[in-house]
Amino acid sequence: QSALTQPRSVSGSPGQSVTISCTGTSSDVGSYNYVSWYQQHPGKAPKLMIYDVSKRPSGVPDRFSGSKSGNTASLIISGLQGEDEADYYCCSFAGTYNVFGTGTKVTVL
Amino acid sequence: QLQLQESGPGLVKPSETLSLTCAVSGGSISSSRYYWGWIRQPPGKGLEWIGTIYYSGNTYYNPSLKSRVTISLDTSKNQFSLKLTSVTAADTAVYYCAREDSSTVDYWGQGTLVTVSS
Repeated sequence: QSALTQPRSVSGSPGQSVTISCTGTSSDVGSYNYVSWYQQHPGKAPKLMIYDVSKRPSGVPDRFSGSKSGNTASLIISGLQGEDEADYYCCSFAGTYNVFGTGTKVTVL
Repeated sequence: QLQLQESGPGLVKPSETLSLTCAVSGGSISSSRYYWGWIRQPPGKGLEWIGTIYYSGNTYYNPSLKSRVTISLDTSKNQFSLKLTSVTAADTAVYYCAREDSSTVDYWGQGTLVTVSS
């Protein structure tokens, strides 16, 4: 039940694209298409951004997209904007429980 | 619009039991589609999934916490609860209650800080 591995931080200028990786194992990310991504601003509850690897909830900008290859899932933010500066967490189903990623801080330069 | 609200003591002594309740409004916890659960976040750290409960009463727990955790439903009050026994300072965190749909957390409470200290 180790946390999924994410880079500690990524950064980009406004308008650029950034990619956040989320590496798990064949017991979680590699076995299920139940990977979700959450955005968290300081002092706030997390917000769902992507579910089932690549689906976007209503109201989430299409600048946010998700994908998966093998044991690694990815969140891509295209056309980076100031309000995208936040912490991002991935989460995967692991059979009978969920496991979160270690979290990535996105900085808009 | 679904709303979840955590409540409970903000301070718990070491070795005692942490107890929190989540009141749900705008939806029924008796729905067969959703799971209801708890997630925590120690100050300055990442999210940790604690566990969930289904309307039938079936529970699913984080293996690392399973021996200390109990999640239960109170359908008459449309709320669910968390109990964590034998707490230590490492259990100090913001505790979120949440709704899950096929392992996706689609609704979160605002969170409540629980500090473990004598």
